[in-house]
Amino acid sequence: QKEVEQDPGPLSVPEGAIVSLNCTYSNSAFQYFMWYRQYSRKGPELLMYTYSSGNKEDGRFTAQVDKSSKYISLFIRDSQPSDSATYLCAMTFFGNEKLTFGTGTRLTIIP
Amino acid sequence: EPEVTQTPSHQVTQMGQEVILRCVPISNHLYFYWYRQILGQKVEFLVSFYNNEISEKSEIFDDQFSVERPDGSNFTLKIRSTKLEDSAMYFCAIAGGAGNTIYFGEGSWLTVV
Repeated sequence: QKEVEQDPGPLSVPEGAIVSLNCTYSNSAFQYFMWYRQYSRKGPELLMYTYSSGNKEDGRFTAQVDKSSKYISLFIRDSQPSDSATYLCAMTFFGNEKLTFGTGTRLTIIP
Repeated sequence: EPEVTQTPSHQVTQMGQEVILRCVPISNHLYFYWYRQILGQKVEFLVSFYNNEISEKSEIFDDQFSVERPDGSNFTLKIRSTKLEDSAMYFCAIAGGAGNTIYFGEGSWLTVV
């Protein structure tokens, strides 16, 4: 079983739709969860960072963590064509330790 | 968000050659990382560097690889005797802000021919 699983997509949705991106993980010791956005041939850009279970909102983005189910989600409201990118989930145990990434979901927002 | 500048942005090298990839964080940081992403695959951890020492390394980071901070600002990844399978994007990252927020540079694309 992979440590972090993420549907690679591709996922295409019309502009303005709500997008739901998800990751599951196997190691219950993960405590810090991040979502990164990556444009083609560019570095991952940190979008959201959450600790333990719960929700966190930042503008059009909402991150959810359900540690009991080992499941994290990123919701994008009012999606825009500029949101078209690959979205990577990542997680770590504690401290400034290595991140374990999912494979990424390629998202396209259709104008 | 902290800035991380990486050079070169793209390098083509012949198999067996040595490559040095460089990273310059804009402000002082203690934690540095190198990650790798082979085309079409996930981002993989290579090594973390804290207080001028390697704090953790993955099984990918074998004797072919080395890191150092030669002048207190630049942070380098050296790949000795490159192989075809070393072709990938190499990302430098730093820890900044609250907790475990890790910020990535734009990457160095290495092509080994």
